[in-house]
Amino acid sequence: NAGVTQTPKFRVLKTGQSMTLLCAQDMNHEYMYWYRQDPGMGLRLIHYSVGEGTTAKGEVPDGYNVSRLKKQNFLLGLESAAPSQTSVYFCASSAAETQYFGPGTRLLVL
Amino acid sequence: GQQVMQIPQYQHVQEGEDFTTYCNSSTTLSNIQWYKQRPGGHPVFLIQLVKSGEVKKQKRLTFQFGEAKKNSSLHITATQTTDVGTYFCATGDGGFKTIFGAGTRLFVKA
Repeated sequence: NAGVTQTPKFRVLKTGQSMTLLCAQDMNHEYMYWYRQDPGMGLRLIHYSVGEGTTAKGEVPDGYNVSRLKKQNFLLGLESAAPSQTSVYFCASSAAETQYFGPGTRLLVL
Repeated sequence: GQQVMQIPQYQHVQEGEDFTTYCNSSTTLSNIQWYKQRPGGHPVFLIQLVKSGEVKKQKRLTFQFGEAKKNSSLHITATQTTDVGTYFCATGDGGFKTIFGAGTRLFVKA
C-alpha cells in the first residue's frame, strides 16, 4: 500500500516549457487535491477533484490545468511555465476530512 | 470564506521546554485537524477533534478543541529535536475542501 505517490520528485524547467505532474493514490479515495507551497508559506489549493471525471478550481488556479481521467490518478499540467511557478507541489487525497499527502514535487522554473 | 488563523508564526525553544501553538476562527468549526510537516517533508495528519471541549493526547502532544468550537491548541511537553517542523491546523469548509492555517514553525535548540 504505497498511499499517495508523485512523479517526478524534482524538475527544472525553462520559462515557457510545459510539463505534467502525476499523482497516484491506491486508497480508493474519491477526493484529490493539488497544492503549492512556497518557502515559509502555508498550503495554497490549486485545483481539486471530487471524483473521476470532475475537476474544480481552488484558490490559485491560473496557469494550471488538471485532469482526473481515472479515479486513482490526478494530473497537474503547466502549459507555459513561469518563474512564479517555482514551488513545491503537493498532491493529497481524502475520503472525508483527513488528507493524505504525497512526498511532493520540487519545481524550479528558470 | 472560512479561515483559520495560527499563532505564533514561528517559535524557538530550548530542548526540554514546552511549546504551544494556537488556531483561531471567527466562526464555529465543525472539526479541527492538526498536521505536522518536517523540514523537507510533506504534511502528515496527526489528529482530528470534533467535539466541543475535546482533549486528546498523543504521548507528549496534547490537543484541545475549545468549548465554543472556535479555537484549538496543540501543546508539546518537553520538546525534543524530533519535534522540529511546521504544525498546521486545518478544518473542513463544509464542502469538499480543507482550509489550512499558515502554520507555526517550531525550532528546537539542543
